[in-house]
Formats: sequence, C-alpha cells, structure tokens
Amino acid sequence: DIVMTQSPLSLPVTPGEPASISCRSSQSLLHRFGYFYLDWYVQKPGQPPQILIYLGSTRASGVPDRFIGSGSGTDFTLTITRVEAEDVGVYYCMQTLQTRTFGQGTKVEIK
Amino acid sequence: QVQLQESGPGLVKPLETLSLTCSVSGASISNYYWGWIRQPPGRGLEYIGYVYYNGNTDYSPSLKSRLTISVDTSKNQFSMKLNSVTAADTATYYCARFTPAVIGGVSTRYWYFGFWGRGTLVTVSS
Repeated sequence: DIVMTQSPLSLPVTPGEPASISCRSSQSLLHRFGYFYLDWYVQKPGQPPQILIYLGSTRASGVPDRFIGSGSGTDFTLTITRVEAEDVGVYYCMQTLQTRTFGQGTKVEIK
Repeated sequence: QVQLQESGPGLVKPLETLSLTCSVSGASISNYYWGWIRQPPGRGLEYIGYVYYNGNTDYSPSLKSRLTISVDTSKNQFSMKLNSVTAADTATYYCARFTPAVIGGVSTRYWYFGFWGRGTLVTVSS
C-alpha cells in the first residue's frame, strides 16, 4: 500500500504571505502515461472537501492561480503564493496510482 | 448542477451492517464513477471505494473484506454496505462523483472527486 505523509500538520499563516505544504509518498507516483497521480483537496470549515489540483500540477476549474502544485517522484508541494483569509481549512494530498490514499491533512489557519 | 444526498441510519449497533445510499440528482449516473469517503470525528479523510455505472468496483484494501458498493441505474443512486462494524467505523460518510480531468482542453481518462455530498454522520454504538 502507498502511504502518504504530509508536513506540517498545522500551518499558521499570515495573509498576503506565501505558504507551502509538503506531501511525500512511500513510492513514486509517476504513471506510465507520464503524469504524477496525485491530487490536492481542501476542506473548509463545515464543508465537504473540494478539488484544488489534479495530476500533481493542474488546477481544477475555478481554482485561483495562487494555488500551485509541483513536485515529482515521491515529493510534492502545494504552494499558496499569497494566502487569503478564505484559504483557511485542512489540505489533503491523495495518491491515485494504486487505489487511493489520503495524507493526514494539514490545517491552515490565520496567525 | 449535480447534487448528491447521502441517506441511511445514523446509529448502527456493533457487529451489524452499515448501509448507506447516495441519491443523485441533476445528472445521470451513467458513464461516471461514484465513490465513498469517510471522516472519523476530528480526523482526516479515508477513501472507502468506488463503483462505475456498469458495476465495476474498487475497494480500499483495509475495508475490502467487509465492503460492498453497488449501483442502481434505474433509481439513479448507488449504495455501500459495510459489515461487522465497530466503533472505529464511526464517521461522517461522504458520497462523491468523479469528474474526468481536462488537460490542454482535452478530457482525459483520469478522474478526480469533483462533486461531493454534504455527508452523513454514522455512529456505531450499542
């Protein structure tokens, strides 16, 4: 089974400043088609999760361009270039190469 | 707009079967993948499994021995059954529809959770 490990688990942020979340998989998420099988979701307070990024780096429709997914192999990063107050929530990475597995989640909160 | 609504008992006794249904409105259940995800109180997300409209399934290895996911195209709904539940199965259960990913304006065969229900809390307790 592929294990997903996120860090940090808690991330206090200042509006206007950048923020980054790391996600590491126990094996490479590179698919034979050349894409990395990794998604990022955010769960805002009191809401179900929603998609941010799929295939490692492609923003889903309607997602602001301040959200950037990057990485390769086993190491991936979600970067928020300038945090806004509405970005508070818990961020999850999820591998989709072998069935699906979520990371533990990273709680982003305003300082 | 696709809407999903989970339904089922909010309380299940230990060792009994947890049964949930997801009713889909605003879209046909055909030609899509449909999934279940759960979240224990105060904890993170756990993938349960999915069903394709033709009945093909994928189950989380940790739940596979106790899990059945099925689809009823005539009712535009899909369901899950989890046997022999324990307190560890207490969670909010979400149903979701997969959405095909688009790369460079072209729809691909990669799917992500695009639409989610609001979730339903199921407590396992005697």
